Amino acid sequence: DGGITQSPKYLFRKEGQNVTLSCEQNLNHDAMYWYRQDPGQGLRLIYYSQIVNDFQKGDIAEGYSVSREKKESFPLTVTSAQKNPTAFYLCASSTGREVYSNQPQHFGDGTRLSIL
Amino acid sequence: AQSVTQLDSHVSVSEGTPVLLRCNYSSSYSPSLFWYVQHPNKGLQLLLKYTSAATLVKGINGFEAEFKKSETSFHLTKPSAHMSDAAEYFCVYSGGYNKLIFGAGTRLAVHP
Repeated sequence: DGGITQSPKYLFRKEGQNVTLSCEQNLNHDAMYWYRQDPGQGLRLIYYSQIVNDFQKGDIAEGYSVSREKKESFPLTVTSAQKNPTAFYLCASSTGREVYSNQPQHFGDGTRLSIL
Repeated sequence: AQSVTQLDSHVSVSEGTPVLLRCNYSSSYSPSLFWYVQHPNKGLQLLLKYTSAATLVKGINGFEAEFKKSETSFHLTKPSAHMSDAAEYFCVYSGGYNKLIFGAGTRLAVHP
């Protein structure tokens, strides 16, 4: 079945450490996204990519980095510059690359990141 | 600027009674609107979407939503709640460039 796979499901970060969250999709979608979810808040966009080798900052990109070397993969690195990384991270993808696309996004099951 | 407001952070219903989750939006454009459901420690699943076709949109699991332009609302309803409906629900606006604007979420509790 097609879908989005995020790994690991749980991740722990030590002080000063960078960690990378994996996101893979086999839906043949052009666009991919990373969101952060904190309790009692909606999702906030970290980064998004509409095409391979291109990505854009979202609303809360500071302390995070991404790459998009393959259509299927969009890994997120949480750097040591992110001082409050504890959150639930969700990856999503969608078919639309066009401006004002109305295509829904498909989500993975998330990675929960905590600080040791 | 576009925005989405979910009017209730928590809703509690008894099993078998109707569900109403309220959502208002603010936009200068004709919106695309979605409802997603999230179960604990899971990703979001699309329930239904409105994209300027019929104003009454039917989704999965018996949910439906009505787009009312005059009221700038997109409320989610279900005639009869089931225990498995207990989850968090997000009203979402498509802000263009594939960017979504999420409401803060409504947590639905269903009691026996």
